Amino acid sequence: EDQVTQSPEALRLQEGESSSLNCSYTVSGLRGLFWYRQDPGKGPEFLFTLYSAGEEKEKERLKATLTKKESFLHITAPKPEDSATYLCASSGSARQLTFGSGTQLTVLP
Amino acid sequence: ETGVTQTPRHLVMGMTNKKSLKCEQHLGHNAMYWYKQSAKKPLELMFVYSLEERVENNSVPSRFSPECPNSSHLFLHLHTLQPEDSALYLCASSQEAGTANNQPQHFGDGTRLSIL
Repeated sequence: EDQVTQSPEALRLQEGESSSLNCSYTVSGLRGLFWYRQDPGKGPEFLFTLYSAGEEKEKERLKATLTKKESFLHITAPKPEDSATYLCASSGSARQLTFGSGTQLTVLP
Repeated sequence: ETGVTQTPRHLVMGMTNKKSLKCEQHLGHNAMYWYKQSAKKPLELMFVYSLEERVENNSVPSRFSPECPNSSHLFLHLHTLQPEDSALYLCASSQEAGTANNQPQHFGDGTRLSIL
């Protein structure tokens, strides 16, 4: 059975304080690793797809990386508007996305 | 309109009521999904439709009944729900739902459902 575990559950950062969110996955035949951002009262917003170990993708202050067991979402010099819940999901031979419980990020001004 | 639109945004119903949730996607995608999101829990996949045919049904109680009349519209019909069904119901779409399944899903903003 595919599993995705995200840590930490919650993270509070000062504005400008860089950090990383972790997504550990166990999936048979990884087809894609997805990162989403979810704001309160909104649906998840797609950020990145990673397909193979060693791949990296960047968008503004966010950078996602992938190994054979984990993915990291690095946040460089975050701003208060980066506050949100970040979700990780894997896609494997089961043909459906398996989501983690998310990391709730709060960036304080 | 663009993206994935869900209506209503909020719904309060009694356990004996019948209501429907609606989802419409304007992305030209071929697959649509219903998810349940409860507090502090991962998204739970309920149903998957690909080219209007239901391809996944993850042991969802029969009080939830999906309908996909065409590739742009998806409904979730609700009847005799239980208090534990209170949650955020999210609709999503993707380019395909086949064995490749490496395309991102795009979500609507959900319907917040409260069962009295």
